[in-house]
Amino acid sequence: AQTVTQSQPEMSVQEAETVTLSCTYDTSENNYYLFWYKQPPSRQMILVIRQEAYKQQNATENRFSVNFQKAAKSFSLKISDSQLGDTAMYFCAFMMNSGGYQKVTFGIGTKLQVIP
Amino acid sequence: DGGITQSPKYLFRKEGQNVTLSCEQNLNHDAMYWYRQDPGQGLRLIYYSQIVNDFQKGDIAEGYSVSREKKESFPLTVTSAQKNPTAFYLCASNLGFTDTQYFGPGTRLTVL
Repeated sequence: AQTVTQSQPEMSVQEAETVTLSCTYDTSENNYYLFWYKQPPSRQMILVIRQEAYKQQNATENRFSVNFQKAAKSFSLKISDSQLGDTAMYFCAFMMNSGGYQKVTFGIGTKLQVIP
Repeated sequence: DGGITQSPKYLFRKEGQNVTLSCEQNLNHDAMYWYRQDPGQGLRLIYYSQIVNDFQKGDIAEGYSVSREKKESFPLTVTSAQKNPTAFYLCASNLGFTDTQYFGPGTRLTVL
C-alpha cells in the first residue's frame, strides 16, 4: 500500500519570505502522479501543483514550485514571496491507477500560517 | 461557470436517521468520488464511480451508500449504520485515469 508522510504538522512564515513544506511517500510503482492541494479556512480543496513521475523537470506554478526527488521519494513544495492568502492547510497526495481505478492517497496535512 | 457543487453546506442529523448529501458537476467528468475528512487525518475514500450506473466501494464504505443515475450527479447517503458520521465530506470528479481530481466545497455533517 502507498503511504504519504507529511512530518511538519504546523509551520509559519513571514509575509514575503520563502517556505518549504516536506512530503515523502512510499511506493513500489514507477508510474504515478503527485499533487499539492491547499485547503484554506473555507475548506475548499484547491489544486496547487501537479507533478508526473515520468517527468524529470520540477513543476512550477507562479510562486509555487516543487523539488521532486524520485529516487528519494521526496516531493517538497516551495512557496516564494509568501502572501497572507497562502495561509491554509496543505496536503500532499499520491495518485496511481489501481485495479482499473484512480487511487489517491493523502497525507495528513501541514498547517501553514503566514504572518504579516 | 463549470464546477462542482455540494449541498447543503451544513447538515445536522439526529441519531438513527439517514441523510443524503448532494454532489453535482457540470464539467462533463466521467468519474466522481466521495471522501471523508476528519481532524488530524488526510482524506479517506468512501465510494467512487467511473461511469453511470456503476460504483465501487472505497476504503471506508461501511454505513454509506451511493447512486449514479446521471453523469452529473453522485449523491451520498449516510445511513444509521454509520457509527461515527460527524465529519466533513468532500466530493470530487475528474475525466479519467490520469486526470487531476477537482473538489467541491464540501458538506459539514454533525450528528446531534
